[in-house]
Amino acid sequence: EVQLVQSGAEVKKPGESLRISCKASGYSFTTYWITWVRQMPGKGLEWMGRIDPSDSYSDYSPSFQGHVTISADKSISTAYLQWRSLKASDTAMYFCARHVITGTEDYFDYWGQGTLVTVSS
Amino acid sequence: DIQMTQSPSSLSASVGDRVTITCRASQHISSYLNWYQQKPGKAPKLLIYVASSLQSGVPLRFSGSGYGTDFTLNISSLQPEDFATYYCQQSSSTPRTFGQGTKVEIK
Repeated sequence: EVQLVQSGAEVKKPGESLRISCKASGYSFTTYWITWVRQMPGKGLEWMGRIDPSDSYSDYSPSFQGHVTISADKSISTAYLQWRSLKASDTAMYFCARHVITGTEDYFDYWGQGTLVTVSS
Repeated sequence: DIQMTQSPSSLSASVGDRVTITCRASQHISSYLNWYQQKPGKAPKLLIYVASSLQSGVPLRFSGSGYGTDFTLNISSLQPEDFATYYCQQSSSTPRTFGQGTKVEIK
């Protein structure tokens, strides 16, 4: 059974750093990309970026480039989303998802349960 | 970035109704259009990929169509468990982008 299990909720202060995780199981981790999606309170879904765990190549939405870093450790089938300096506006639910990419298909078929990040002084 | 615009933003419907949600892309995206369902407090769930392919396990009352810039999600007979928010998403180019969502509520 494919599963993506995310780390637990976090409460941080502005300026602090944070790394949240997404552990994959039930499939070959290096065969599929991992994508990250933000959902601010009461708002819609925003694509942040993705990583290919086979070689750790990543790309980002311009809206998030430079503010977050996506990484992966294929030895433990885990992807990460990291901030060096959090802002209050980073308060949101963050989802990871398995990103299927073939020649003719591209979609997010399995999702983690979400990690709620709260940034408040 | 490709902008995705859904309509309506919300709708009220009764159990058994046929529901149609539309999604328009700001530029041609071929069939690179996916649909997701999200219930409150839950992760999104893939319903339809490449415009019209039904994800495994998704009921047959859901269907998708369209090509290029205009797409549609249909629910043939709305069930109680279908009350949720629906999002379209383009996968033609980076950054991937979502529509703003359509909330389907009980009339």
